[in-house]
Amino acid sequence: GDSVTQMEGPVTLSEEAFLTINCTYTATGYPSLFWYVQYPGEGLQLLLKATKADDKGSNKGFEATYRKETTSFHLEKGSVQVSDSAVYFCALSYTGGFKTIFGAGTRLFVKA
Amino acid sequence: EAEVAQSPRYKITEKSQAVAFWCDPISGHATLYWYRQILGQGPELLVQFQDESVVDDSQLPKDRFSAERLKGVDSTLKIQPAELGDSAMYLCASSLARGSNEQYFGPGTRLTVT
Repeated sequence: GDSVTQMEGPVTLSEEAFLTINCTYTATGYPSLFWYVQYPGEGLQLLLKATKADDKGSNKGFEATYRKETTSFHLEKGSVQVSDSAVYFCALSYTGGFKTIFGAGTRLFVKA
Repeated sequence: EAEVAQSPRYKITEKSQAVAFWCDPISGHATLYWYRQILGQGPELLVQFQDESVVDDSQLPKDRFSAERLKGVDSTLKIQPAELGDSAMYLCASSLARGSNEQYFGPGTRLTVT
C-alpha cells in the first residue's frame, strides 16, 4: 500500500540556518504531495503542495519539488526563524477525495 | 477567515465512560473527515463523510466508535466505552468537495483516558 516516510526528529537549528526535512513516499498511482505544519496546540495547516512530477510547491519561504524518479518531496527553507518551530508532516493523496496518508512528522526547533 | 471549529478542546474521562466530540466544518464544505493522531505520529483517518453519507469508515473501530453527520453540516464522533488506548488528539478536517484533496483542519480535541 501507499506510505510516507519522513526523517526522524527532532531537528534543532540556529536562526538563519538552512533547513532540509527529507520525505520519501511509496505510491501505487500518481498522487498529489503535501507538506502540513502543526504549531503547538493547534491543528494542521497546509503549507504547500505539488500535484505532479517536477512541480515545485512554495509558500512562506518553504519549497519542495515533486521528484518521481527518487519518490521524494523534501522540504527546504533557506533561512529559518524561531517562529518556524513546529511539527512538519509530509502527506500524499489522490484526486477524487480519497484519504490522505501522513508521515509520522518531524519536529523542528529553531534557537535564537 | 473561515475555520473548522471543534469542541471541547480538551477532555479527560475515565475508562469505560462515554465521550463525544463535535465538529463544525467551514461553511459550504461538503466533505468532512475525522482523524486520530497518537502522540508522535501522523494523523490516521477514522471516517470520511460526503454530505451526510459515510464514504470511508474502514479504520473506525465500530465496536466502540460511532460518527454521524445528520444534516450534512456539523458532525459528532462518539466513543463508548472509552479505553486507555484511545488517548490521542482527535482532528476534524473539511474540504470543499470530494474531488478536492486540499483539507482544512480544526484545532483538535485532546482526549485523555484515565
